Amino acid sequence: GENVEQHPSTLSVQEGDSAVIKCTYSDSASNYFPWYKQELGKRPQLIIDIRSNVGEKKDQRIAVTLNKTAKHFSLHITETQPEDSAVYFCAASEDGGFKTIFGAGTRLFVKA
Amino acid sequence: NAGVTQTPKFQVLKTGQSMTLQCAQDMNHEYMSWYRQDPGMGLRLIHYSVGAGITDQGEVPNGYNVSRSTTEDFPLRLLSAAPSQTSVYFCATTPTERGTGELFFGEGSRLTVL
Repeated sequence: GENVEQHPSTLSVQEGDSAVIKCTYSDSASNYFPWYKQELGKRPQLIIDIRSNVGEKKDQRIAVTLNKTAKHFSLHITETQPEDSAVYFCAASEDGGFKTIFGAGTRLFVKA
Repeated sequence: NAGVTQTPKFQVLKTGQSMTLQCAQDMNHEYMSWYRQDPGMGLRLIHYSVGAGITDQGEVPNGYNVSRSTTEDFPLRLLSAAPSQTSVYFCATTPTERGTGELFFGEGSRLTVL
């Protein structure tokens, strides 16, 4: 089955700096790669996603890149703000969400 | 629309007791799933269902049963609770063919097994 590895487990940055979180997946059949943000005590919520036919996607301060050959995908957050502090999860699935497998998460601290 | 509703929000059990976590959705989503979240281990898939009458195992199914008799409901049963099942449980749904693949989560159910 699919296995998703995520690094780093903890990331601390100064406000205004960039943050990068990296993930790898094992199943070449995976074709949908979402990123979820979970604030303390809340449910995970989708912040951005990318499909296997796209190499990069951007939405304001966040962007995702996908390297299908290497089975790597990354989340980039620019101009970080204190409200970006949360746990971020990468995930992979086939068929658009079916049987989504998550990475272990990255706790991001943005220091003001 | 209430979205995805989980009950109870908190529960304390003794080892060996049984209970059912309820998940109900009013979005007419075909796909429903259960995850458990433990510190440092992310969200792990327990069971999932692609429609009424169809269920399948995820990454960590042992100790849990599910059934899907209606589109709206997907209960998770613990037949004999163990301390290792202490966790936060999330129900998540998606419309599959009609949707993007985004999972919509309930608020979570925190279970403690003593």
